[in-house]
Amino acid sequence: AQSVTQLDSQVPVFEEAPVELRCNYSSSVSVYLFWYVQYPNQGLQLLLKYLSGSTLVKGINGFEAEFNKSQTSFHLRKPSVHISDTAEYFCAVRSANSGYALNFGKGTSLLVTP
Amino acid sequence: EPEVTQTPSHQVTQMGQEVILRCVPISNHLYFYWYRQILGQKVEFLVSFYNNEISEKSEIFDDQFSVERPDGSNFTLKIRSTKLEDSAMYFCASSEVSTSIQYFGAGTRLSVL
Repeated sequence: AQSVTQLDSQVPVFEEAPVELRCNYSSSVSVYLFWYVQYPNQGLQLLLKYLSGSTLVKGINGFEAEFNKSQTSFHLRKPSVHISDTAEYFCAVRSANSGYALNFGKGTSLLVTP
Repeated sequence: EPEVTQTPSHQVTQMGQEVILRCVPISNHLYFYWYRQILGQKVEFLVSFYNNEISEKSEIFDDQFSVERPDGSNFTLKIRSTKLEDSAMYFCASSEVSTSIQYFGAGTRLSVL
């Protein structure tokens, strides 16, 4: 089974500042990794994914993440945040070989202020 | 852009009542899923469904829960006798194939009183 740890429950940041949201996972098998975003009163929207290939993946809205197998991490970054990036961010993992379930972290609430 | 649609957005029910949550997956998708998110907690997998049968389920998905694809477009989650602890946001998702991205609906907030 896989599990995900998002160490930061809340991250306050000023507009135009850089941000990193941390995600670590544990798994004994190969995994696929995802970041989803949930804006207030909306569903989960895929930001980006790592399935294979380049360890640096780029997603929507200027976000990117780097898969680090040795550190079992998949941290999400953005060089300059906007007020509109205020949302809940979820890291998720699933087995690359079997099973269908996405295992989610507890989420990180990103609050961008002027 | 195609999307997963869930109805209703908010369902209020009395403890012990049956509820049915409805979802319309993306039309060419073959795999369907239900997840739930209790307030303040993480999103948890409930069940996946393919070819008219359950392909995987979690420990949460006990005999009180059932899923069905009653026609070519809808995918439903039924809770037979709701408990207070069933109060949560329920998300439906679908994917084209088992290994591809899961697209989520906006969710149904279930409040059990």
